[in-house]
Amino acid sequence: GDSVTQMEGPVTLSEEAFLTINCTYTATGYPSLFWYVQYPGEGLQLLLKATKADDKGSNKGFEATYRKETTSFHLEKGSVQVSDSAVYFCALINSGAGSYQLTFGKGTKLSVIP
Amino acid sequence: EPEVTQTPSHQVTQMGQEVILRCVPISNHLYFYWYRQILGQKVEFLVSFYNNEISEKSEIFDDQFSVERPDGSNFTLKIRSTKLEDSAMYFCASSEARGRGLDTQYFGPGTRLTVL
Repeated sequence: GDSVTQMEGPVTLSEEAFLTINCTYTATGYPSLFWYVQYPGEGLQLLLKATKADDKGSNKGFEATYRKETTSFHLEKGSVQVSDSAVYFCALINSGAGSYQLTFGKGTKLSVIP
Repeated sequence: EPEVTQTPSHQVTQMGQEVILRCVPISNHLYFYWYRQILGQKVEFLVSFYNNEISEKSEIFDDQFSVERPDGSNFTLKIRSTKLEDSAMYFCASSEARGRGLDTQYFGPGTRLTVL
C-alpha cells in the first residue's frame, strides 16, 4: 500500500536558521502531495501542496518541490521563526489508484528557539 | 474564510457507552472524511462519505463505527460501544471534489475523545 516516510524529530533550530524536513513516499502512479501543519492545541492546517511532478508548492515562506525521480517532497524554509514551532505532516492522495484518503507520515515536531 | 467546525472539543465517556461526534463541513463541499490520531501516533484515515454513502473505509472502521449526514449541514461519527483504545483525537475534513487539484481536504480543530 501507499506510505509516507518523514525524518524523525524532534527538530530544534534557532530563529532564522534554515529548515529542511525530508519526506519520501511510496505509491503507484502520480499522487498529489501535501504538507499539513499542526500548531500546539490546534487541528491540521494545509500548508502547501503539489499535484504533479516538478510542481513547487509554497506558502508562508515554506516551499516543497514534487520530485518524481526521487519520490520526495522535502519541506524547506530559509529563515524560521519562533511562530513556526509546530508538528509538520507530509501526506499524499493517490487518486489514480482510486483512493481519496490522505495517507500521512508520522509527523516531525519542530521547535524554534529565540 | 470558510472552515470546518467540530463539537464538542473534548468528550469524556465511560467504556461501553455510545458517543456521537459532530462536524459541520464547509458549505459547498461534497466529500466528507473522518480521521483519528492516537496520542503520539500518525493521523489515520477512518472513512469517507459522499452522496449519503460511504465511499471508502479503513480496517479501523468496523461495525462499532457509523457515519451519517442527518441534515444539510451536519456530519456525524458514532461509536456504538466505546473501548479504551478509541481514545484519540478525531478530525473531520471536507473537500470540494475529488479530482486532482480539487481534492484538498480541509480539517476541523478536532474532538479529543477520552474513554475511561
